[in-house]
Amino acid sequence: SAVISQKPSRDICQRGTSLTIQCQVDSQVTMMFWYRQQPGQSLTLIATANQGSEATYESGFVIDKFPISRPNLTFSTLTVSNMSPEDSSIYLCSVLLTRLAGVRLQETQYFGPGTRLLVL
Amino acid sequence: AQTVTQSQPEMSVQEAETVTLSCTYDTSESDYYLFWYKQPPSRQMILVIRQEAYKQQNATENRFSVNFQKAAKSFSLKISDSQLGDAAMYFCAYSMGSSGDKLTFGTGTRLAVRP
Repeated sequence: SAVISQKPSRDICQRGTSLTIQCQVDSQVTMMFWYRQQPGQSLTLIATANQGSEATYESGFVIDKFPISRPNLTFSTLTVSNMSPEDSSIYLCSVLLTRLAGVRLQETQYFGPGTRLLVL
Repeated sequence: AQTVTQSQPEMSVQEAETVTLSCTYDTSESDYYLFWYKQPPSRQMILVIRQEAYKQQNATENRFSVNFQKAAKSFSLKISDSQLGDAAMYFCAYSMGSSGDKLTFGTGTRLAVRP
């Protein structure tokens, strides 16, 4: 697995402001993902962030609202822009690790501890 | 589109007993991965177990095992000798066999462990 950290772990923000969440991993990874988990809900993918290319956003998520940076192979940021109370969620980053299992590549996503965001 | 269904919003088990969490999925793919993740109150998503669709043998990890029925598109998790630390939300997830595909999650099952 990998050691993944997120900053901040939690925050309370005013509507209309923006928050940038950082995700750091202790090894070089090509693919990182950002998920949102609304209260009492499951996880929904926001975007896939590959180093060296623009992030790929899922339906319902746009770059203006959730800009993502991926400056190197160990770090990514997600910004939640112009926040409203509906953005109150847990935001999780994950990384894709690949290992050789016999003759096949085995891929697994490992998650950071999450950032709990409350927008007032 | 792939979907993952967990029909048990909540489950309860007595400490040291065995419990089975259900998961079904829908896909037209033949090669894919299935996962069970655990999310305790700390909210950290922890990988419990994984299963490759091409493998007929059910995966096991210590007290955790799966019953993978590919034809029925069923992927249940069995927790043996339940411990208080097993109390958490459990999410079933699916990923296609292609590189870097996203995870599609079920709605989760909250497991309570009674002392």
